[in-house]
Amino acid sequence: AQKVTQAQTEISVVEKEDVTLDCVYETRDTTYYLFWYKQPPSGELVFLIRRNSFDEQNEISGRYSWNFQKSTSSFNFTITASQVVDSAVYFCALSASGGYQKVTFGTGTKLQVIP
Amino acid sequence: NAGVMQNPRHLVRRRGQEARLRCSPMKGHSHVYWYRQLPEEGLKFMVYLQKENIIDESGMPKERFSAEFPKEGPSILRIQQVVRGDSAAYFCASSPGTGATFNYGYTFGSGTRLTVV
Repeated sequence: AQKVTQAQTEISVVEKEDVTLDCVYETRDTTYYLFWYKQPPSGELVFLIRRNSFDEQNEISGRYSWNFQKSTSSFNFTITASQVVDSAVYFCALSASGGYQKVTFGTGTKLQVIP
Repeated sequence: NAGVMQNPRHLVRRRGQEARLRCSPMKGHSHVYWYRQLPEEGLKFMVYLQKENIIDESGMPKERFSAEFPKEGPSILRIQQVVRGDSAAYFCASSPGTGATFNYGYTFGSGTRLTVV
C-alpha cells in the first residue's frame, strides 16, 4: 500500500522568509512518481511538479525547489523568499509509474505567509 | 486547448436528493479519474474510468454512488439520496492513456463543491 505523510499541518511565516514543506512517502513499487500540488483559497488544484523515482536530481523553478531523497523516502518542497500569494494548502502525492495513475495524496500542509 | 471542465462549480442539495456532477476531460483524453476531498482533508481516489468502462472503483462507497463515462458526452458522478456526510469537493482529472503515454502533470478540473443541507 502507498502512503504519503505530511507531518506539518499548518505553517506560518513572515513574508520573504524561506519555508520548507516536508513530505515522506511509503511504497513497495520500485518505480513511481511524486507530485506536489497547490490549492489556493479559491479551491482549485494547481500542479507544481512531477518527479520520477529514478531521477534524484533536485529541481529548481524560480523561488520553488524540490529535494528528493530516495534513501529517506522524502520529497521536500522549499519556497524561497515567500510571498503572500504563496498562502495555500500544499499537497504531496504519489503514484505508481506503471498502469494507470491512481494517486495517493497526503493530508496537506496549510501555509500562511504573513505580510 | 481547454482543460478539464467540471460543472457545476457549486451544488446545493437537500438530504435525500440526487446529485449529478459532470466532468468533461481534456480533448483527446479517454481516461477519467474522480477524487473526493472532505473538509480539511487530502484527496481520496474514488473511481477510474475509460470510455464506457469502469476500470477501478475501489474508492467508491458501495451504496448510493455511481459513475459513468459514456461513449459520447461527459463523465458523470451520481450520488443518490445524499446525506450531510457527502458534502465535499469532488475533483475530476483526465489523461490520454496510461504508463508511457502519461508524460505530463496530472491535471485536475476546478472541482464541484457539493453542500448537503
